[in-house]
Amino acid sequence: ETGVTQTPRHLVMGMTNKKSLKCEQHLGHNAMYWYKQSAKKPLELMFVYNFKEQTENNSVPSRFSPECPNSSHLFLHLHTLQPEDSALYLCASSQVDRVTDTQYFGPGTRLTVL
Amino acid sequence: DQQVKQNSPSLSVQEGRISILNCDYTNSMFDYFLWYKKYPAEGPTFLISISSIKDKNEDGRFTVFLNKSAKHLSLHIVPSQPGDSAVYFCAARPSTGHYGGSQGNLIFGKGTKLSVKP
Repeated sequence: ETGVTQTPRHLVMGMTNKKSLKCEQHLGHNAMYWYKQSAKKPLELMFVYNFKEQTENNSVPSRFSPECPNSSHLFLHLHTLQPEDSALYLCASSQVDRVTDTQYFGPGTRLTVL
Repeated sequence: DQQVKQNSPSLSVQEGRISILNCDYTNSMFDYFLWYKKYPAEGPTFLISISSIKDKNEDGRFTVFLNKSAKHLSLHIVPSQPGDSAVYFCAARPSTGHYGGSQGNLIFGKGTKLSVKP
């Protein structure tokens, strides 16, 4: 498999559930990202991992918990979410030590919180 | 306050004509700019990029122009095809260390929905 993959593609959960989103990149990159895309808003960067170390956490509520066990895998653990957290969650990867470090995106997980 | 702005939420163009998508930015410390295309139910796909040291980059039907003095970039698609119908996002990268963040962070515009009519 090539590129950036995300599972599941769709997720419906209640506010008391705990679930996890998974991302895997097959590009040999050293950085991975979680973005949130809500309707009529720009993509919002949530977390950045460079060389498995979290380097960015853009004031994301603690009900979102990222995990990066290695440079190819990234998880987003979800618990006690709110209906306003319903959105498309996108994972991306890049090679940050290149001058032109383009980010490549996965297909996203469409999350609905009931 | 949005640092990357795409002021046209939508654009409709006839097949075979030129599509011009515009993007404005406010911060002169951006050093790298990218355009992504997004189809419904898919993630954004990288299209073309340009470094701040250049003013033009061309790849097939796609050309990106950068006007640093105006803090403006544009994407030209010619000739436009119905398969180009998608949402186009402009993104900009702050130069390393300016925001104290990690290299590689991108700031996105809200997107412009392009419709190419046969």
